[in-house]
Amino acid sequence: ETGVTQTPRHLVMGMTNKKSLKCEQHLGHNAMYWYKQSAKKPLELMFVYSLEERVENNSVPSRFSPECPNSSHLFLHLHTLQPEDSALYLCASSPHTSAGGPEETQYFGPGTRLLVL
Amino acid sequence: AQSVSQHNHHVILSEAASLELGCNYSYGGTVNLFWYVQYPGQHLQLLLKYFSGDPLVKGIKGFEAEFIKSKFSFNLRKPSVQWSDTAEYFCAVIAYNNNDMRFGAGTRLTVKP
Repeated sequence: ETGVTQTPRHLVMGMTNKKSLKCEQHLGHNAMYWYKQSAKKPLELMFVYSLEERVENNSVPSRFSPECPNSSHLFLHLHTLQPEDSALYLCASSPHTSAGGPEETQYFGPGTRLLVL
Repeated sequence: AQSVSQHNHHVILSEAASLELGCNYSYGGTVNLFWYVQYPGQHLQLLLKYFSGDPLVKGIKGFEAEFIKSKFSFNLRKPSVQWSDTAEYFCAVIAYNNNDMRFGAGTRLTVKP
């Protein structure tokens, strides 16, 4: 248990559905992240939020829409996804506003396993 | 932007064998370096990290890694592996004062009892 929780743990959705992934961190951190983990590929950083403001958006398709209402919660809203979006979506948090700053470490949640049919 | 390569996709060892997993990165500036481990069915956990100082860092469960700046490497080692070390290991690099952490593709380690 790292102090980062994600719900749901598994999700199956059709291409026309709308769903949301939720992440919550209980560590008092200021930065939160969404990653995509596909089979046999490196983890891909999708979004970074620092103090509830988006600071990084790595060319992610608009069918993924993040929301960070406060520093403890992060959502990933999904709509009209494609089968190739099936993957494990990981949330992480870190203490400070700059992920590459001194002594900065990211802590990961268990992930949401998403299957798009 | 920085990138990370892990040389081995799958390593199979017998218990008590020594382990070394390679990790090389490409970036000319100051970096922070990490090894994460993902046990079957579990979340990514931090194994060890390097920020500055002694280039030989020790982590949990007897793992250590050595940062060799001239070789842009951060190899993971363990003198004697156990069956419980079976997992996937990820090397990660983040440039100083950057928000973009890059991961290697991972190395799957299987330890035979």
